[in-house]
Amino acid sequence: SAVISQKPSRDICQRGTSLTIQCQVDSQVTMMFWYRQQPGQSLTLIATANQGSEATYESGFVIDKFPISRPNLTFSTLTVSNMSPEDSSIYLCSVVPGQGFYEQYFGPGTRLTVT
Amino acid sequence: QKEVEQDPGPLSVPEGAIVSLNCTYSNSAFQYFMWYRQYSRKGPELLMYTYSSGNKEDGRFTAQVDKSSKYISLFIRDSQPSDSATYLCSKAAGNKLTFGGGTRVLVKP
Repeated sequence: SAVISQKPSRDICQRGTSLTIQCQVDSQVTMMFWYRQQPGQSLTLIATANQGSEATYESGFVIDKFPISRPNLTFSTLTVSNMSPEDSSIYLCSVVPGQGFYEQYFGPGTRLTVT
Repeated sequence: QKEVEQDPGPLSVPEGAIVSLNCTYSNSAFQYFMWYRQYSRKGPELLMYTYSSGNKEDGRFTAQVDKSSKYISLFIRDSQPSDSATYLCSKAAGNKLTFGGGTRVLVKP
């Protein structure tokens, strides 16, 4: 397994501003992902954070809105840009510490409220 | 139709009862199936994963996959109040996990 921390744990932001969320893992991992979990909903994959290259985004998510950095094998950031109330959600990072893609471990999440 | 469907619950059971959770999926191109547990205000925690049809047991938890009917189940024996959480089923295809909406479980002492 892996120990994952996220910062901030929660934030309240104003419409039109941006927030950067950090994800730190206690060991080097190849695969790192960012998910969104809207109130009462399940998890939706935003993108795969690739180390040393541009992130791979899922349908419906774009780099201009959710820029992602992955400078090394233990750290990634997700920025939520030009926020609107519809971006209010929990944002989670996950990692695959071993060989099996299906064994994903999640951080505690960042609870974002946009007013 | 969603790729993975779960009854949202809540499912309320008395302590010591068996909790039975189910998921259906719509795409046959999946090999691995997972169950995650998510406590309130926490990230999901991987409980079990299974590959192919059949049963897999881990302590009080049993995961069951029936690929012919595209059905995934999780059974929790001797349920405890600490099992109260939302349970998410998930399937893996390629490099992507797809999650069901989750079933909220409440185990009453």
